[in-house]
Amino acid sequence: QQQVKQSPQSLIVQKGGISIINCAYENTAFDYFPWYQQFPGKGPALLIAIRPDVSEKKEGRFTISFNKSAKQFSLHIMDSQPGDSATYFCAASIIQGAQKLVFGQGTRLTINP
Amino acid sequence: DGGITQSPKYLFRKEGQNVTLSCEQNLNHDAMYWYRQDPGQGLRLIYYSQIVNDFQKGDIAEGYSVSREKKESFPLTVTSAQKNPTAFYLCASSGGYQNTIYFGEGSWLTVV
Repeated sequence: QQQVKQSPQSLIVQKGGISIINCAYENTAFDYFPWYQQFPGKGPALLIAIRPDVSEKKEGRFTISFNKSAKQFSLHIMDSQPGDSATYFCAASIIQGAQKLVFGQGTRLTINP
Repeated sequence: DGGITQSPKYLFRKEGQNVTLSCEQNLNHDAMYWYRQDPGQGLRLIYYSQIVNDFQKGDIAEGYSVSREKKESFPLTVTSAQKNPTAFYLCASSGGYQNTIYFGEGSWLTVV
């Protein structure tokens, strides 16, 4: 019930294309769904996050789509750029108190110029 | 600069030795965390602390110990009981809008 499943493991997209990464969760008590971006040798950095009371959140070229009934959420990167090449992690938690984030396995994204 | 500072960045340990990883934050966050990351894997929670002098085990606490004597500091000791300690260790803290979790730059531990 604590798992978050992320796919694909790796993704190659042409510059200017749309990158899509998917995640599924089991625990219906989760109420906070962030996406983190990690460059090699660095700590993850928060990219965008969503609560389950909305179905979509957009920040610049990054959009989270959330489907509560299917227990799925996804990250869309529009107009993908070589600088977006990184590993992306979805996560889920219960937002109050100490957040025990449960992470997906990660997706290594490569944007070809 | 505000943030989370981890040290050392790289650490080599001989088998049978304990090592301590430092984590300091100046974000005035109450909660702090330690995660472990193995190559090509997601992050797994080792320990977390909501307030000073209190901490809880995460999913993979065996072979690790922590202390929280000050709000700003949350050191992690990797003991000789940890069977496979070679990994990338990440410290984090949470607070502010949506109780966001912020990560440090990480520490690489290699057993030689």
